[in-house]
Amino acid sequence: AAGVIQSPRHLIKEKRETATLKCYPIPRHDTVYWYQQGPGQDPQFLISFYEKMQSDKGSIPDRFSAQQFSDYHSELNMSSLELGDSALYFCASSSTQTEAFFGQGTRLTVV
Amino acid sequence: AQKVTQAQTEISVVEKEDVTLDCVYETRDTTYYLFWYKQPPSGELVFLIRRNSFDEQNEISGRYSWNFQKSTSSFNFTITASQVVDSAVYFCALSEPFQTGANNLFFGTGTRLTVIP
Repeated sequence: AAGVIQSPRHLIKEKRETATLKCYPIPRHDTVYWYQQGPGQDPQFLISFYEKMQSDKGSIPDRFSAQQFSDYHSELNMSSLELGDSALYFCASSSTQTEAFFGQGTRLTVV
Repeated sequence: AQKVTQAQTEISVVEKEDVTLDCVYETRDTTYYLFWYKQPPSGELVFLIRRNSFDEQNEISGRYSWNFQKSTSSFNFTITASQVVDSAVYFCALSEPFQTGANNLFFGTGTRLTVIP
């Protein structure tokens, strides 16, 4: 069965650079979520989209933005990267009847 | 305030022992969902179970079982006859779809389980 696809799997960026993470949800899932998991931490909700509209916002820094496109894939854009942004970034998708299924994550390292 | 509390930070057991991971949650909603996810060393989050607030029946799936008690706001997870492959961080999570308007998850801080061969 198709799962949530995230790319890239690993990303190394320098401070003050910009990064774009991509997420391809499970087909026919109408909701996409982004989570950030710092080292040794639990995943923290950043933002979600329902049918391409932002549905909820969590602890997402102003330097980050996200959107969901007409094909339902989503991108998380991160600018002016800081060392503290180094984390595992998860995308998840769900439909109204299902639990959230997570992608394998993108490990971002800011140096 | 933390909505999900996993008081056990780390647990070590010897293979074939049973182990229970505790989860206590807090919500004002009458309708909510509780989850358990497993995060093995490879890093992905693996869905284990979802339970809605109206279903207090305990569930068993192979060596895994879950005990949901609304009276104590707990949703504990037991692994029977543990195996080395069970070694992982286990997260309990809560969603409040009617309060937040979305199904985003509030995670507990996780319990790192190490099964010693």
